[in-house]
Amino acid sequence: QKEVEQDPGPLSVPEGAIVSLNCTYSNSAFQYFMWYRQYSRKGPELLMYTYSSGNKEDGRFTAQVDKSSKYISLFIRDSQPSDSATYLCAMWRGTSYGKLTFGQGTILTVHP
Amino acid sequence: DVKVTQSSRYLVKRTGEKVFLECVQDMDHENMFWYRQDPGLGLRLIYFSYDVKMKEKGDIPEGYSVSREKKERFSLILESASTNQTSMYLCASSFRTGSYEQYFGPGTRLTVT
Repeated sequence: QKEVEQDPGPLSVPEGAIVSLNCTYSNSAFQYFMWYRQYSRKGPELLMYTYSSGNKEDGRFTAQVDKSSKYISLFIRDSQPSDSATYLCAMWRGTSYGKLTFGQGTILTVHP
Repeated sequence: DVKVTQSSRYLVKRTGEKVFLECVQDMDHENMFWYRQDPGLGLRLIYFSYDVKMKEKGDIPEGYSVSREKKERFSLILESASTNQTSMYLCASSFRTGSYEQYFGPGTRLTVT
């Protein structure tokens, strides 16, 4: 069983839709939960991070972490074509020289 | 602005060749990482380094080695390339503290024929 599971999609939605991306994990030692965004032919970039459980909002993006269920989510409101990318969840125990564990990535397409 | 550069965007090599992939970062980061990215498998860590001349195996180190002689440069070596090493290779770097943020290069698409 992988430590982090993410539905690879692909996910295709119309512009303006609410998008929900999810990951589950098995290692209860994870303390930091990140979402990276990767545009085509580019490397991933950090979009948001959350420490421990709770919600974090940044504009149209909301990250949620439920450590009791070992489940994290990223919501995108009013999705735009420019949101089309691969979204990768990532997790870190807070030790081990910054070694992150990534999910498989979800390919999202927002069509006009 | 942090910059991580990789020596090639595309590379085609023959089976059995020795292949060098180079990565340079300009932010004085202590940590550097090499991943490969394959469809459906996500990012898998090959090796990482937390200091000059220090290295640790990641999840899939077989068939690879690394070198870090200077803080800003981290090289990935395929001793004898095989077709199953055809992949996208991504280099990343981060500070020792606050390491949840890794900065990635644009990737090298390696094809082994």
